[in-house]
This record gives sequence, C-alpha cells and structure tokens, in this order.
Amino acid sequence: DTEVTQTPKHLVMGMTNKKSLKCEQHMGHRAMYWYKQKAKKPPELMFVYSYEKLSINESVPSRFSPECPNSSLLNLHLHALQPEDSALYLCASSQLRTGTFEQYFGPGTRLTVT
Amino acid sequence: SQKIEQNSEALNIQEGKTATLTCNYTNYSPAYLQWYRQDPGRGPVFLLLIRENEKEKRKERLKVTFDTTLKQSLFHITASQPADSATYLCALAAGLGAGNMLTFGGGTRLMVKP
Repeated sequence: DTEVTQTPKHLVMGMTNKKSLKCEQHMGHRAMYWYKQKAKKPPELMFVYSYEKLSINESVPSRFSPECPNSSLLNLHLHALQPEDSALYLCASSQLRTGTFEQYFGPGTRLTVT
Repeated sequence: SQKIEQNSEALNIQEGKTATLTCNYTNYSPAYLQWYRQDPGRGPVFLLLIRENEKEKRKERLKVTFDTTLKQSLFHITASQPADSATYLCALAAGLGAGNMLTFGGGTRLMVKP
C-alpha cells in the first residue's frame, strides 16, 4: 500500500470555527509532513514530524496546530483562520532510513475560509 | 538567499517531441535533487531522484541530469504524449541532516498537444 489518504477532500469553514484535517499512511514511514499550496504556486512546507515528534515548524501561525497521535496518523487542527489561509493542504510521508527521502503525497484537502 | 528556479512557467510542445525542463538553484549544496509531477487538484507524485555524485538518471521515457558546477538539473521526457501534460516540480534538500526538508521550485506547466 503506497497510498497517503487525507480527509476531508473539501472543507469550508468560517473564521470562528475549529476544524481538523486528517492524514493516514500505512507504509511504515516515520516522517510525515504538512504543506500548504496556493493556486499556481509550489507546495510550501509547514511542519515535519520525525518519529512522531515535531522536528520542523516553518514559522507557521499558531492558528495551525499539528498533532501526530501515532506513526500512521497526522492531524492539523485549525482555529480562527483567515481568508488568506484558503489553500490546498497536502500531507506527505517518507522513509527516514534509506537516505533517499522521496515523499509520498496525499490528494490534499481543499480548504476555503469564509 | 537560497533560490530554486524553474525557468519556464509553461511549455507547449507537439506530441512525439522531447520536452526539456530546467531547474536552477543558488546558494544550495544539495545532496540530491528530486522531480515530481502534479496534476490539477492532486498531490505531487515522485518521479526521479538524482544524487550529487550522479550525472544522469533514467526511468522509461524520463531522463534527469544534474550538474553541480552549473547548479542545474535538466528533466527530459522523450516521445512525449498528451498524457504527460501536467506541472513538473523540482525539489531540493540541503543534505542528510535536512533530508526531510524539501524546498520546491515554482514548477513548469507542460502541455503536450496531439
């Protein structure tokens, strides 16, 4: 199974809502990532988890809160978002031991903040 | 500052021709470089990885070259097909220590016309 799944596919939320994005992989990867992608732009790294510990936070505002409950799951909790946070949110995973680090991406969650 | 540039935002070619995409970088000493394909509304898909000590890598109709002196990678698709139409992204990681931290170029939208 080389699939990374993300739910929901689409999410519309108001600026006062609290919601969560979910990501799951069963490839035994011990690194998981959240990216944000705006239209016609490349993915921008937000967070990296290595062995279920947050290892990189790319100066992301605190209204985004990641969580890695176990080695297969990654969540992104959203609270008090702004309209400019509307984007495609991508989850990815990779090996940590092979030295190649190619990343496997999920299909993304299309988030609209109203 | 570090930069990764893909010199064409869009590239149109005729079916059967070879598509050549360019990725240039500055202020990096990458251990390896990766190429991904992204279709609209979907996550990137890993295609090829080339290490700093490799000059060329091939996979079916794909070929990647890596010139660390010129700080450039070229990505070729031979005998291109309309199904190859997509956005192609190059990505760099600075080294094993940052091996799980990829930065993407802006992408090149390839359109292969029948």
